[in-house]
Amino acid sequence: ILNVEQSPQSLHVQEGDSTNFTCSFPSSNFYALHWYRWETAKSPEALFVMTLNGDEKKKGRISATLNTKEGYSYLYIKGSQPEDSATYLCAYAGGTSYGKLTFGQGTILTVHP
Amino acid sequence: EAGVTQFPSHSVIEKGQTVTLRCDPISGHDNLYWYRRVMGKEIKFLLHFVKESKQDESGMPNNRFLAERTGGTYSTLKVQPAELEDSGVYFCASSQDSRGFGAFFGQGTRLTVV
Repeated sequence: ILNVEQSPQSLHVQEGDSTNFTCSFPSSNFYALHWYRWETAKSPEALFVMTLNGDEKKKGRISATLNTKEGYSYLYIKGSQPEDSATYLCAYAGGTSYGKLTFGQGTILTVHP
Repeated sequence: EAGVTQFPSHSVIEKGQTVTLRCDPISGHDNLYWYRRVMGKEIKFLLHFVKESKQDESGMPNNRFLAERTGGTYSTLKVQPAELEDSGVYFCASSQDSRGFGAFFGQGTRLTVV
């Protein structure tokens, strides 16, 4: 059984704060780590796909890092805005079935004005 | 370019009834995936189509669930008969890459079984 864990489960921050969350995943048979941003009743939006140990990706105020040897990834949001409020999901691809994504439970971020 | 489209967006049915969910992937995407999120839990994989063939159906919970992808285009997921524990959000995703890279998700179908 593959376990993908995200922490914290939820987070409340003030507008302008910077924040980060963690995704841990199996370090063996790793293929890729995906981050998605999901607002309820909308489609999960792909943020990053990372494959190499040490990968760092950036998209505007959001960035992510990857450590495949120890099995974790961090997502950072700089200067949070209310529109960043959403559930952030990480998903691991690996093992014997590369097309299948194993998701964490998500981190629910609420940014207060 | 149209995204992944799912129908209906919501469905409320009684226990024992049948429901069919539909997914229209992005045109040209051979890979189509079904996922499900039960209340309060993580999104879980159900199955993966490559064109019309089932590549991996290891996540299908039981034989009350039947997925098809006729002609390698749209896909349907039928639940018959529906049980209370089938309630949740059913997501469809599609990608050009068989490894799931660049997978685009639909907005989901929220199924409530009462």
